[in-house]
Amino acid sequence: QSALIQPASVSGSPGQSITISCTGTSSDVGTYNFVSWYQQHPGRAPKLIICDVSERPSGDSYRFSGSKSGNTAYLTISGLQAEDEADYYCSSYTSGPTFVVFGGGTKLTVL
Amino acid sequence: EVQLVESGGGLVQPGGSVRLSCAASGFTFSSHSMNWVRQAPGKGLEWISYIMSSSSTIYYADSVKGRFTISRDNAENSLYLQMNSLRAEDTAVYYCARWGSGGRAFDIWGQGTMVTVSS
Repeated sequence: QSALIQPASVSGSPGQSITISCTGTSSDVGTYNFVSWYQQHPGRAPKLIICDVSERPSGDSYRFSGSKSGNTAYLTISGLQAEDEADYYCSSYTSGPTFVVFGGGTKLTVL
Repeated sequence: EVQLVESGGGLVQPGGSVRLSCAASGFTFSSHSMNWVRQAPGKGLEWISYIMSSSSTIYYADSVKGRFTISRDNAENSLYLQMNSLRAEDTAVYYCARWGSGGRAFDIWGQGTMVTVSS
């Protein structure tokens, strides 16, 4: 079982918005603003899309946004496009025995 | 172009060893902490090891502690992962990933190298 909990799947139609949750604990998401999100297309390496909870790496799409409330972080994708269909992973720095923990991943289907 | 290229994967027998390499280019390798992250077939991402830019601080996931050793050669712009006592559950794609100096995240990833542990 992954340290951070994500829904296994979400779906939406083109043009809609979707939100993916990522629930941790006070040892990671709840204490540190070092939450990041990654997009992974099949057979490809992950790509950073959000860092430090809500920061977008320069040049990346404004359609991706991040937020956090308590022990849960959120990734919102607005104006869904077919190319957004991928797996999404959250990650957080942790004061636990490991350096970083990942969520189990969420498969986004664009209907 | 900022790039990470892994190599060294392949088929290895249970109990065997393999050394992965990651060649960095397009950035000042010696200024960045680096990591190894793996992904078993059809599964999610698992962070396994971190090394600070100077090699002064190293962390391992419990799943590989005592069996895997991370190292780096800043003069050669290279990151390594020595994997010993391999088990079937170590079968995965292994990615090297740069720890960002601005945002705290894995900001650059290699394409990955597959390690299959099987007899």
